[in-house]
Amino acid sequence: IAGITQAPTSQILAAGRRMTLRCTQDMRHNAMYWYRQDLGLGLRLIHYSNTAGTTGKGEVPDGYSVSRANTDDFPLTLASAVPSQTSVYFCASSDSNTGANVLTFGAGSRLTVL
Amino acid sequence: GQNIDQPTEMTATEGAIVQINCTYQTSGFNGLFWYQQHAGEAPTFLSYNVLDGLEEKGRFSSFLSRSKGYSYLLLKELQMKDSASYLCAVPDSNYQLIWGAGTKLIIKP
Repeated sequence: IAGITQAPTSQILAAGRRMTLRCTQDMRHNAMYWYRQDLGLGLRLIHYSNTAGTTGKGEVPDGYSVSRANTDDFPLTLASAVPSQTSVYFCASSDSNTGANVLTFGAGSRLTVL
Repeated sequence: GQNIDQPTEMTATEGAIVQINCTYQTSGFNGLFWYQQHAGEAPTFLSYNVLDGLEEKGRFSSFLSRSKGYSYLLLKELQMKDSASYLCAVPDSNYQLIWGAGTKLIIKP
């Protein structure tokens, strides 16, 4: 089934630990994104990548890093997790040729940092 | 800067019509998007408006007034499955979406 796969679905993590959220898409979309969603707030962009080999900072990039070595994969790393990074993380992708902001989202990764 | 406002929650009755409003402030304008998000699930794309007027797509329609910085999503013949959050979003100067906090729509039988 074409789409975006995120892993893990859910994770509880001790503060100070390193964590990588994985995201893979099979739609050959050029652009990919990481958002976090917190209760009462809109989706907030963490990092994005317009094409393989390039990345950019979104609204809330501090404490997070990304890489885009190929078209399909866009992992998000928390180098040293803090409780304020407790959130639901969504990976998304889009094809700028057909609709740059028509995003397809993964199912989300729920992260709890204690 | 950019700002998007939507009502936090609305309640409507099955079979009725509901209008969900969104007001926005942007330094430029590159269209307005509506997404639907069921509880515990990912957002899914509903509509995109770049010109003024009403765009109809089945039971859902979306309206835009660029001069007023205003949009609404109109849902007709409401069904229980329409219970969800509805997210309004506009691109910023880097063409990345800025999102409203979403309107939670509760449908009652």
